[in-house]
Amino acid sequence: AQSVTQLDSQVPVFEEAPVELRCNYSSSVSVYLFWYVQYPNQGLQLLLKYLSGSTLVKGINGFEAEFNKSQTSFHLRKPSVHISDTAEYFCAVKNFGNEKLTFGTGTRLTIIP
Amino acid sequence: GAVVSQHPSRVICKSGTSVKIECRSLDFQATTMFWYRQFPKQSLMLMATSNEGSKATYEQGVEKDKFLINHASLTLSTLTVTSAHPEDSSFYICSATGGAEEKLFFGSGTQLSVL
Repeated sequence: AQSVTQLDSQVPVFEEAPVELRCNYSSSVSVYLFWYVQYPNQGLQLLLKYLSGSTLVKGINGFEAEFNKSQTSFHLRKPSVHISDTAEYFCAVKNFGNEKLTFGTGTRLTIIP
Repeated sequence: GAVVSQHPSRVICKSGTSVKIECRSLDFQATTMFWYRQFPKQSLMLMATSNEGSKATYEQGVEKDKFLINHASLTLSTLTVTSAHPEDSSFYICSATGGAEEKLFFGSGTQLSVL
């Protein structure tokens, strides 16, 4: 079975500063990896995904993530955050051939003006 | 625009009543739909997976008689919370896929409050 660990439950960052949200996963087979963002009282919106190919994945809103197979990580980064980035961020993993997504516990990103 | 529509966005009901939540795929055929439950400040927990025309597969610990799922067509799945109680109060989210790995879309969620 796969699992996802998001070590940081809350990350406060000053506006225009860089941010990294950490995600580590565990799986016995090859995986697909995802980052989702959730704004208050809303569903999830896909930020980016890694399916195959280049390990550096660029997503929407200036976010990017790097797949590191040896460290089983998929950390999310943004070089300069904005107030509008305040939200909950979820890392998720899906095994090849399995439609189920397993989510991490989420990281609340708070941008400080 | 949204490709998965979830309705209602918010519902308040009395204890003992049943509530139905709809999840529709708007411009694709959803062969598989997922239902999640999310408690405040927690992650999404998968409740069940439903494939069109067949019975839903429930995750361990989820009562199938309490959370009835119907996936009668390729564009509609419903979750009915039967005889709701205050502990069923939660945020429920559906997602739908047409099968391709990257084509998974989420609804906007339903906040259920049981008084």
